[in-house]
Amino acid sequence: AQTVTQSQPEMSVQEAETVTLSCTYDTSESDYYLFWYKQPPSRQMILVIRQEAYKQQNATENRFSVNFQKAAKSFSLKISDSQLGDAAMYFCAYRSGLGNEKLTFGTGTRLTIIP
Amino acid sequence: DAGITQSPRHKVTETGTPVTLRCHQTENHRYMYWYRQDPGHGLRLIHYSYGVKDTDKGEVSDGYSVSRSKTEDFLLTLESATSSQTSVYFCAIFDPSAGGKKQYFGPGTRLTVT
Repeated sequence: AQTVTQSQPEMSVQEAETVTLSCTYDTSESDYYLFWYKQPPSRQMILVIRQEAYKQQNATENRFSVNFQKAAKSFSLKISDSQLGDAAMYFCAYRSGLGNEKLTFGTGTRLTIIP
Repeated sequence: DAGITQSPRHKVTETGTPVTLRCHQTENHRYMYWYRQDPGHGLRLIHYSYGVKDTDKGEVSDGYSVSRSKTEDFLLTLESATSSQTSVYFCAIFDPSAGGKKQYFGPGTRLTVT
């Protein structure tokens, strides 16, 4: 079974600064996908960024980027120019490429933005 | 998001009573999921469905059953609610046509079992 580990329960960053959230995973599969979801106080789960394991290039979405290290099974999220609206719980998630499309989540990192 | 609604949004019930949560989608997607979210655990998969009347168990399925008689509806039932089932429940759908094949979540249902 796949596991996803987020070792930082809480993080904080000064507004406009850069912060990196860590995620490691364990799998024996070669075909899979990795995700970062954001959950603000509204509780809505919002997809931030997605990475296919077969792609060597790190995914980027505006101020959000990932550092995908396949051999190390590491998938960190970097948020640049942090904004107050980035304050949320962030979840790392894994999905097998073999079908059924279910997600395995980490336990989350609560990000606080300091004005 | 992606036409997913959950009902009810909040519910308080007593131990031992049956509870049914409903997930409704307007997008006609094949895959639907039920997760629960608890502090320190993230989201964990309860059950999922890959078509009408086709369902399978997730990692925390004990005490829960599901049904899917129509593509658009996926029901989660707690036959006899227990305090350990107090949680926030999320429904999700998988959209293979979305850029990047995305999984979208409903707004969640907060269930309290007293």
